[in-house]
Amino acid sequence: ETGVTQTPRHLVMGMTNKKSLKCEQHLGHNAMYWYKQSAKKPLELMFVYSLEERVENNSVPSRFSPECPNSSHLFLHLHTLQPEDSALYLCASSPQTGDPEQFFGPGTRLTVL
Amino acid sequence: DAKTTQPPSMDCAEGRAANLPCNHSTISGNEYVYWYRQIHSQGPQYIIHGLKNNETNEMASLIITEDRKSSTLILPHATLRDTAVYYCIVRVFNFGNEKLTFGTGTRLTIIP
Repeated sequence: ETGVTQTPRHLVMGMTNKKSLKCEQHLGHNAMYWYKQSAKKPLELMFVYSLEERVENNSVPSRFSPECPNSSHLFLHLHTLQPEDSALYLCASSPQTGDPEQFFGPGTRLTVL
Repeated sequence: DAKTTQPPSMDCAEGRAANLPCNHSTISGNEYVYWYRQIHSQGPQYIIHGLKNNETNEMASLIITEDRKSSTLILPHATLRDTAVYYCIVRVFNFGNEKLTFGTGTRLTIIP
């Protein structure tokens, strides 16, 4: 138990659906991250937020839209995804961006049909 | 950030020390070595990090060679729960460097 929770843990959606992934931390951290982990590929950093401002966007398609309403919550809004977007989506937080220890949530296993 | 090389897989008997090597021959003077692990179907977990001195915490020890071109993570008494993929990451430690670049890691299997 890292103090970072993610909901839902599993999600199946069609290509025309809109859904959102939620991440929550009450560790008092100022930085939050979204990562994608596809089968047999390394973790890929998608987005970084520091004090609710996006500081990094790693060329992620616009069908993924992050939102950070406050420093405890992070969302990933999904719209018209493709089957190749099926993956484990992981949220993490750290006290500041650049801290050596990031605390990861358990992830959301997403399947796009 | 410097590139790292790890063996794809290793086995270790339960109760023995697991020694996981990592090569980072292009590491620069201000880059730290970090270790994370990922147990199946869970998010990665931070283990330890260091710059040049050996480090120890409640989970593991990190031994960095004098020339800093390689390091070894040691789990002193491996248990079945240590079965996971272990990632060695090298990067500059500064606030504003957000990126943790995960490679393919070493899949460690603890054998009963």
